Amino acid sequence: GAVVSQHPSWVICKSGTSVKIECRSLDFQATTMFWYRQFPKQSLMLMATSNEGSKATYEQGVEKDKFLINHASLTLSTLTVTSAHPEDSSFYICSARGRGGASNEQFFGPGTRLTVL
Amino acid sequence: AQSVAQPEDQVNVAEGNPLTVKCTYSVSGNPYLFWYVQYPNRGLQFLLKYITGDNLVKGSYGFEAEFNKSQTSFHLKKPSALVSDSALYFCAVRARISGNTPLVFGKGTRLSVIA
Repeated sequence: GAVVSQHPSWVICKSGTSVKIECRSLDFQATTMFWYRQFPKQSLMLMATSNEGSKATYEQGVEKDKFLINHASLTLSTLTVTSAHPEDSSFYICSARGRGGASNEQFFGPGTRLTVL
Repeated sequence: AQSVAQPEDQVNVAEGNPLTVKCTYSVSGNPYLFWYVQYPNRGLQFLLKYITGDNLVKGSYGFEAEFNKSQTSFHLKKPSALVSDSALYFCAVRARISGNTPLVFGKGTRLSVIA
């Protein structure tokens, strides 16, 4: 299957700093990328959906100014957590889908564990 | 709105026994249904999907799932469980509409296979 990578796999930062997480589709063009957040022992919660070259669509309750998403190319999307606080500590997972519509499988990255001190 | 219910937080099964992880869904119209598995501190791995056709879908690692439209269910099954199957399993649904509809996940079921 297709491969989605995330970098970094884990990051520890101080409160108030910003952290950027990269998501790349390695062998296909990701027309749509999704960012999920997962708390311990809980399900994945969709944060936002982004299409290449356009603004992301955020789910209700997700602060777009705090979680900046950029989908600059068909193989790269970034999530920047601005002015991070301890409550932002979580496991962030990106997912990518290529052309072909809703029946297409979403491929998931390995996740990034963010710890804010 | 789409939703997925996985009624069991935890399923325990002895190695070699059959296993079932339950999933029911709610979506307008016909669904696309998926099962994913997650190992500790890892991303999700695709197991299988139902798009159309045969209601019994076979996937990776010997898993299969049966789409039951009348019961709006898509239970995951395996005839003989392995200890290495122990992981967190997620059922997901997507509506058959155009656009960038994302997958909506259930809360997950932790499967523990005991030797």
